[in-house]
Amino acid sequence: SQKIEQNSEALNIQEGKTATLTCNYTNYSPAYLQWYRQDPGRGPVFLLLIRENEKEKRKERLKVTFDTTLKQSLFHITASQPADSATYLCALDPYNFNKFYFGSGTKLNVKP
Amino acid sequence: DGGITQSPKYLFRKEGQNVTLSCEQNLNHDAMYWYRQDPGQGLRLIYYSQIVNDFQKGDIAEGYSVSREKKESFPLTVTSAQKNPTAFYLCASSSEGTSGSYEQYFGPGTRLTVT
Repeated sequence: SQKIEQNSEALNIQEGKTATLTCNYTNYSPAYLQWYRQDPGRGPVFLLLIRENEKEKRKERLKVTFDTTLKQSLFHITASQPADSATYLCALDPYNFNKFYFGSGTKLNVKP
Repeated sequence: DGGITQSPKYLFRKEGQNVTLSCEQNLNHDAMYWYRQDPGQGLRLIYYSQIVNDFQKGDIAEGYSVSREKKESFPLTVTSAQKNPTAFYLCASSSEGTSGSYEQYFGPGTRLTVT
């Protein structure tokens, strides 16, 4: 069956460190992968997208990598801040039908 | 202000009653979606619509119904046939972004409690 996996355990890091979150998928060959941020009780907000032919994408303190051989994307936040504390979701549109599948998200806690 | 609105934010219903959740967007997006999110879980797709007067079932459509009579509106009805309706419901819309992919824009959500 199709599956998108994110670490269900919360990631706790100290302010200023780099946070790295993982998204693994099986049985897909997506053309691109997206990352969203979700705060408690609110809808997700789009952050970044990376295409299958891109190894890495950056936006300010955010960096995403995409390894289609490993079927894995890594999401990095450098110089993390307490305001970065949230749940981060990855999403795929595996068949390019504009129909998305989401991982369960990883909660990030950045301690001051 | 462009965006997606969902109403109400909190909704309480008795078991056996149908309830309709509102979703409106003024982003001029063609595609709209309904997701359900349970505590500690990701988003699961209920229904989606790529164009007016057309919609498709997602992975968990049983017990739900939708309509798409206008581009701006995509209401979701939770029927009494839905076994576990208590959840956080999210509406989204999308159009092709500058990167050539379909970024999703989400509403604030409706938290439905059925007792």
